[in-house]
Amino acid sequence: DGGITQSPKYLFRKEGQNVTLSCEQNLNHDAMYWYRQDPGQGLRLIYYSQIVNDFQKGDIAEGYSVSREKKESFPLTVTSAQKNPTAFYLCASSRLLAGSYEQYFGPGTRLTVT
Amino acid sequence: LAKTTQPISMDSYEGQEVNITCSHNNIATNDYITWYQQFPSQGPRFIIQGYKTKVTNEVASLFIPADRKSSTLSLPRVSLSDTAVYYCLVGVGDNYGQNFVFGPGTRLSVLP
Repeated sequence: DGGITQSPKYLFRKEGQNVTLSCEQNLNHDAMYWYRQDPGQGLRLIYYSQIVNDFQKGDIAEGYSVSREKKESFPLTVTSAQKNPTAFYLCASSRLLAGSYEQYFGPGTRLTVT
Repeated sequence: LAKTTQPISMDSYEGQEVNITCSHNNIATNDYITWYQQFPSQGPRFIIQGYKTKVTNEVASLFIPADRKSSTLSLPRVSLSDTAVYYCLVGVGDNYGQNFVFGPGTRLSVLP
């Protein structure tokens, strides 16, 4: 089955620690995205990538970092500089970086930092 | 960037048709309009997409007036399982973009 996987589903960390969220897709999509969702809120774009070794900041990139070394993978690191890291993180991909292409979302990772 | 405005919530009864309108006054020429559905603790799922006029698929219809400053998602004969949050997304139609702007979402509650 083709799709997007995110792991783990739940993640707990202590304040001050960096943590990396995994996102893998086997859809052969060029574009990938990371969104953050807070309780009762919509999605906010953190980073996006339209091709390997290229990525751009979204609306709320501060305190986050990404890499795109392989087409299939787009890991997100939540650094200790992110002031409010507890949230639901969603990864998505689309065939190309364009509004005319459907985004496919993963199941999400719920991060809790205490 | 094209910002979107949607009603925060809507209630409906099973079997009724539901229409959710999204306003996007600053939509650009190349922007497409896409609607997603999200259940709690899951990733959003694509429902329908359009550029102008009307688009229909097996689950919904999308109506876009000529000025494209708004769009209406129509869900025919909703059931309890349609209870979810519905997002309107406006994004550029070429490869060099810009950020995709999700609206705040409309929380639809379908009652028995």
